[in-house]
Amino acid sequence: SAVISQKPSRDICQRGTSLTIQCQVDSQVTMMFWYRQQPGQSLTLIATANQGSEATYESGFVIDKFPISRPNLTFSTLTVSNMSPEDSSIYLCSVARGLNTEAFFGQGTRLTVV
Amino acid sequence: KNEVEQSPQNLTAQEGEFITINCSYSVGISALHWLQQHPGGGIVSLFMLSSGKKKHGRLIATINIQEKHSSLHITASHPRDSAVYICAVCSNYKLTFGKGTLLTVNP
Repeated sequence: SAVISQKPSRDICQRGTSLTIQCQVDSQVTMMFWYRQQPGQSLTLIATANQGSEATYESGFVIDKFPISRPNLTFSTLTVSNMSPEDSSIYLCSVARGLNTEAFFGQGTRLTVV
Repeated sequence: KNEVEQSPQNLTAQEGEFITINCSYSVGISALHWLQQHPGGGIVSLFMLSSGKKKHGRLIATINIQEKHSSLHITASHPRDSAVYICAVCSNYKLTFGKGTLLTVNP
């Protein structure tokens, strides 16, 4: 298994500001992902965080809005930039040790933009 | 049509009842996950399966690859089982999630 610490667990932010969410894993993992869950919707993959290179973004998500860092195999950050109320969601970090292996999730960050 | 459909969307049960949540999908998959999401948003992985059946405590998950269908069963349900249960399928190394089933177990 993998134990994930995601911070902050929740935040209320002003429109136009940015928030950085941290994801720390207790052991090295190959795959790290960032998801968004808008109210009443299913989880949607934002991007795959790649160690040592730029993240791979899914359609509809761009680096300027959601910059991601992954400096090593146990840590990643997601920044939600220039926030608007539409960014109010739960953001989740997920890890896996390899392709088609069990996925583990963080506790989630509940973001409210006012 | 979503690639992953769950039913029911909402389920209310009395403590002790046997519960079934269904998941149907439309794509070829390498594995299927059942997840539990608590009110704060955190997610716990319950099962990952690619065939047959798995059991963990009062939870049982089954999958029929030919019919593209999986079920999650909870025996002797308890109020602490109240949560959102999410089915997710792994296809082309990516997870696609259902919208979840909100389960409420009343004492």
